[in-house]
Amino acid sequence: EIVLTQSPATLSLSPGERVTLSCRASQRVDNYLAWYQQNPGQAPRLLIYDTSKRASGIPARFSGGGSGTDFTLTISTLEPEDFAVYFCQQRYDWPWTFGQGTKVEVK
Amino acid sequence: EVQLVQSGGGLVPPGGSLRLSCSVSGFKFSDYEMSWVRQAPGRGLEWISYISANGNSIYYTKSVKGRFTISRDSAENLLYLQMNNLRAEDTAIYYCARQDIGDFWGQGTLVTVSS
Repeated sequence: EIVLTQSPATLSLSPGERVTLSCRASQRVDNYLAWYQQNPGQAPRLLIYDTSKRASGIPARFSGGGSGTDFTLTISTLEPEDFAVYFCQQRYDWPWTFGQGTKVEVK
Repeated sequence: EVQLVQSGGGLVPPGGSLRLSCSVSGFKFSDYEMSWVRQAPGRGLEWISYISANGNSIYYTKSVKGRFTISRDSAENLLYLQMNNLRAEDTAIYYCARQDIGDFWGQGTLVTVSS
């Protein structure tokens, strides 16, 4: 099973700041890496798929990058609605797996 | 409008069984692969099962293999998750999801395994 390790567990930031979240895979996942955002009491929302492709309706301030085993999600300028939990997911091999999540909270 | 409407959650004793349903509308169900994902209270997401569009390919995460069964009825636009021999650690919100570029999720249904 491919293990995804996200860091850090929590980030305390202010609106307007730039943030980069990390997701490291225990083995190569090619580009089959997705990022989700989840707010309390809601289902996850897809932000990025195939490492760097923005899902439909996702603002340009969200961008994904990386390759091999190391991936990032960058939010260029934090908006109030971006304070949430973010998960990465690999769809390269079975079973698909999620990282443990990074919480972006208001400082 | 794409909709995934879930039903079938609830309280079940350890060792019991439950079947979750996911009623799909707004797209041609038979063309799309589907998954189940769960989230234990206060925890992260756990992908648990996948079924291909034609139902011929099925995968499970290790913790549910042999106890859970995913299936689909494309004539009725229904996705199922049959859960047997339930354990306390299966307590979670369960989501059905179409995890592709479109990416649509059900509203989630709570399964509580407790005596």
